[in-house]
Amino acid sequence: ILNVEQSPQSLHVQEGDSTNFTCSFPSSNFYALHWYRWETAKSPEALFVMTLNGDEKKKGRISATLNTKEGYSYLYIKGSQPEDSATYLCAPTGGGNKLTFGTGTQLKVEL
Amino acid sequence: EPEVTQTPSHQVTQMGQEVILRCVPISNHLYFYWYRQILGQKVEFLVSFYNNEISEKSEIFDDQFSVERPDGSNFTLKIRSTKLEDSAMYFCASRLTSGSYMETQYFGPGTRLLVL
Repeated sequence: ILNVEQSPQSLHVQEGDSTNFTCSFPSSNFYALHWYRWETAKSPEALFVMTLNGDEKKKGRISATLNTKEGYSYLYIKGSQPEDSATYLCAPTGGGNKLTFGTGTQLKVEL
Repeated sequence: EPEVTQTPSHQVTQMGQEVILRCVPISNHLYFYWYRQILGQKVEFLVSFYNNEISEKSEIFDDQFSVERPDGSNFTLKIRSTKLEDSAMYFCASRLTSGSYMETQYFGPGTRLLVL
């Protein structure tokens, strides 16, 4: 069973602030890391899938990095906007098909 | 853009009753999943389904749970005799192929189940 932790659990930032949060996972038996963004009452939306150590992915103002050797990934949001308010979930896969989710980071961007 | 849909969005049931949660995966996808999130806890895997059979299931997925793809579009999760601890948000997800752990799983909006 993968132990996946995300920090912080919640975060309040002001509009325009840049922010980042962390996903930690066991580095052994690592295959891929998925990031999702989940707004209340909507479907979790896939952001990135990363597999290689040193991978960096970007989608608009959101980017992510991956360190498979030490078992962590960072998600960055540049110039946060109120519409970025959501829960951000990471989920590594360990070779099987299932996703093992972290606790999530709940982001609130205030005007 | 194709999406995964789920019905109902909310369901309230009495303990011991049977419930069926319905999902319509993306039409050309081959691999289907159910996950759930108990309030305040992590989203957890229940079961994966491919080629009309269960490919993997978690310890949570005991004999009270079953899945079915009754036709070419629907994918259902049945809980035979609900317990209070089954109260959770249930998510359906689908994926295009069977082969790659890198492939995105697309999630539905969930069904909020409340067992009284």
